Amino acid sequence: DSGVTQTPKHLITATGQRVTLRCSPRSGDLSVYWYQQSLDQGLQFLIQYYNGEERAKGNILERFSAQQFPDLHSELNLSSLELGDSALYFCASSARGTGIPEAFFGQGTRLTVV
Amino acid sequence: AQKVTQAQTEISVVEKEDVTLDCVYETRDTTYYLFWYKQPPSGELVFLIRRNSFDEQNEISGRYSWNFQKSTSSFNFTITASQVVDSAVYFCALSEAVGNTGFQKLVFGTGTRLLVSP
Repeated sequence: DSGVTQTPKHLITATGQRVTLRCSPRSGDLSVYWYQQSLDQGLQFLIQYYNGEERAKGNILERFSAQQFPDLHSELNLSSLELGDSALYFCASSARGTGIPEAFFGQGTRLTVV
Repeated sequence: AQKVTQAQTEISVVEKEDVTLDCVYETRDTTYYLFWYKQPPSGELVFLIRRNSFDEQNEISGRYSWNFQKSTSSFNFTITASQVVDSAVYFCALSEAVGNTGFQKLVFGTGTRLLVSP
């Protein structure tokens, strides 16, 4: 158990809809990372938050957004969903904001857009 | 940009065989970290090892061993006496700085699917 909790584990929704994925970091970790694993793009970095602030952005679509709350949990919001957004979404957390990148991931949320 | 190549898409072995998964990387950074993850059919990413670029010593953990060679930019993973439970997709990853933020992300290879049959 990595200590990173993601909910829900599975999500099925229709095209055009909006969903929210939730991530609770390990106790004491200030930084949260989001990754997407899709069949065509593989595993790729989406966005990082540190202590409530966005600190790094990767290949994240404009239809996607994230935030980190005062209790340090994070949410990834996906809107106007398309079939191609079907993927596994992973969250990782880190105690440090910089330096050694984090190694431990949550169990992921499998999103299916129909 | 950093790049990780796992040329082996799929490997099939019979139980008790040794198997090596290859990972070749490209980076301009002098300090970086390399990772291996296991993704079983259930989908989670299981951390196996993290190695920094200054530590070229090989590492062994039970049936798992890793061979890091900076000269060839490779970080290969060997499973000795493979077992059916080793069947999974294995990912190699490399750290990459995100602009000038001081933060790092992971760049993953495309993965190698290992099938171990009884």
